[in-house]
Amino acid sequence: SQQGEEDPQALSIQEGENATMNCSYKTSINNLQWYRQNSGRGLVHLILIRSNEREKHSGRLRVTLDTSKKSSSLLITASRAADTASYFCATAATGANSKLTFGKGITLSVRP
Amino acid sequence: EPEVTQTPSHQVTQMGQEVILRCVPISNHLYFYWYRQILGQKVEFLVSFYNNEISEKSEIFDDQFSVERPDGSNFTLKIRSTKLEDSAMYFCASRDSSSTDTQYFGPGTRLTVL
Repeated sequence: SQQGEEDPQALSIQEGENATMNCSYKTSINNLQWYRQNSGRGLVHLILIRSNEREKHSGRLRVTLDTSKKSSSLLITASRAADTASYFCATAATGANSKLTFGKGITLSVRP
Repeated sequence: EPEVTQTPSHQVTQMGQEVILRCVPISNHLYFYWYRQILGQKVEFLVSFYNNEISEKSEIFDDQFSVERPDGSNFTLKIRSTKLEDSAMYFCASRDSSSTDTQYFGPGTRLTVL
């Protein structure tokens, strides 16, 4: 698998349901970030979790990080139709100029 | 809220032509990046820039690519002789110098090489 690989690749849920997206990575990281991308648009930063953190919350978002399993999950609670987008995890290695390595993304469809 | 801006939003060019993609990072940021996303594929790192020099570049960033910060606000990506496979969405990102590692992305420039 590649660094920052998400699963599932596509997820379709009903409005109001929770959406859980997973990301796995291979190498050591400094932090992991989740981004959202609406079709053909830019990347919107959602949340960052550092390697020494296990869980973070931001509004309806909850992200977890398990460095022993090299995996992260993003939970969107009480989903809305407006949450329909592609979601990417991106990992950053240690280093001031560290680049982000993105996964292929998860396409989330929230049915009204 | 400050944001990264990019121009143009869409650039169409002929193969072999030079293109310059422009970005205005967030004003107090010091680390700058270019990424690209070929249609349907993942976002790929191209280059990072700090203190007026390239700090890291990927295999994609060959001699046809260059970056410049010509003044205190703009950050440009130049492709000297475009190829069909350069067609992609190009994203600029910036990060400040504090302990935050969040990279803020611009809306992207869609480059189409004919």
